[in-house]
Amino acid sequence: QKEVEQDPGPLSVPEGAIVSLNCTYSNSAFQYFMWYRQYSRKGPELLMYTYSSGNKEDGRFTAQVDKSSKYISLFIRDSQPSDSATYLCAMVRGGADGLTFGKGTHLIIQP
Amino acid sequence: DAGVTQSPTHLIKTRGQQVTLRCSPKSGHDTVSWYQQALGQGPQFIFQYYEEEERQRGNFPDRFSGHQFPNYSSELNVNALLLGDSALYLCASSLRVPGDGYTFGSGTRLTVV
Repeated sequence: QKEVEQDPGPLSVPEGAIVSLNCTYSNSAFQYFMWYRQYSRKGPELLMYTYSSGNKEDGRFTAQVDKSSKYISLFIRDSQPSDSATYLCAMVRGGADGLTFGKGTHLIIQP
Repeated sequence: DAGVTQSPTHLIKTRGQQVTLRCSPKSGHDTVSWYQQALGQGPQFIFQYYEEEERQRGNFPDRFSGHQFPNYSSELNVNALLLGDSALYLCASSLRVPGDGYTFGSGTRLTVV
């Protein structure tokens, strides 16, 4: 079993829909949780960064962390074709450790 | 823009050769980490440098080595290149306690032939 599981997709939704992306993990020591967006042949771009359990909202994006279930989510409202990319979840125990990534979900927003 | 910069952007090497990749961190960041991303996979942690020392290392062989300079910039060296080393190599910078997360560069695409 991998430490972080993420459905690779592809996930295809119509423009304007609400998108839900998820990851599960097995290591209860993870404390910091991130979502990155990666366009083809580019580096990952940080979208959301949360510490421990709870919700965080930034514009059209909402991140949720449920440490009791070892489950994190990213919601995208009013999805746009420009949101089409690969979305990577990442997590870490603390500052000295490297990030552990999911495999990434390929998201396609249809105009 | 004072983001993470990596050089070169693309590189083609022959099996058995050695390669050096370079990274300048985001302004204000003091910690640099390197990742390898194979096609269709998430990035894999190679190692992290802070105060010019390797602090943590992922599951990579000793052929992968690095260095951090006093200005916080960093190099990744890979010796005795294998075909399987072909990947996108990403540099990420952060603060020692990552209060604003980890910022990635655009990466160096290495092809080993």
